[in-house]
Amino acid sequence: GESVGLHLPTLSVQEGDNSIINCAYSNSASDYFIWYKQESGKGPQFIIDIRSNMDKRQGQRVTVLLNKTVKHLSLQIAATQPGDSAVYFCAEDNYGQNFVFGPGTRLSVLP
Amino acid sequence: GAVVSQHPSWVICKSGTSVKIECRSLDFQATTMFWYRQFPKQSLMLMATSNEGSKATYEQGVEKDKFLINHASLTLSTLTVTSAHPEDSSFYICSARVGGRNRGLFFGEGSRLTVL
Repeated sequence: GESVGLHLPTLSVQEGDNSIINCAYSNSASDYFIWYKQESGKGPQFIIDIRSNMDKRQGQRVTVLLNKTVKHLSLQIAATQPGDSAVYFCAEDNYGQNFVFGPGTRLSVLP
Repeated sequence: GAVVSQHPSWVICKSGTSVKIECRSLDFQATTMFWYRQFPKQSLMLMATSNEGSKATYEQGVEKDKFLINHASLTLSTLTVTSAHPEDSSFYICSARVGGRNRGLFFGEGSRLTVL
């Protein structure tokens, strides 16, 4: 079934610092993952994806790391800015049928 | 990334009426679209998978007669909340997949439904 969180973990980061948001996924056979950013009242926005044949992928100010051994995914945001404040979700591809979403993490950027 | 448009972005209706939400893929064709519901401070809950030209596949616990889904073309899926009640008030989001497996999933802007 889908992952539905009862509450959102919160990560507070000072502006300019780096942020690391973590996610544990459930299916060791999953071979494709996406990170999303969701601002209040909006739909999730695609940030970066990674396939299981990679351990790391970099975008603009963001890096995704994949550790298949422990089924762990992380999103690193460099030089965090106020505009990065949002809820971040990881999603794993469910055999190409749909995606299973993590519970989400709220990132708060402190001035 | 691919563009998915959702309309309306917000709607207020009276209890007992029906509301239709549209989801369009603007720059690609989507044989499959997904409808999610999201409660405050929670993750996305998959309601159903919309398949072009065939019946939608509903997740367990989602009433198919309550949430009617129609995917009449490769760029449009609609969700109709029938005989809406206040407990149906929520944020509904659609998404569409670009291509098949290992391809990105893109979301619409979401629709906030408030049933009075």
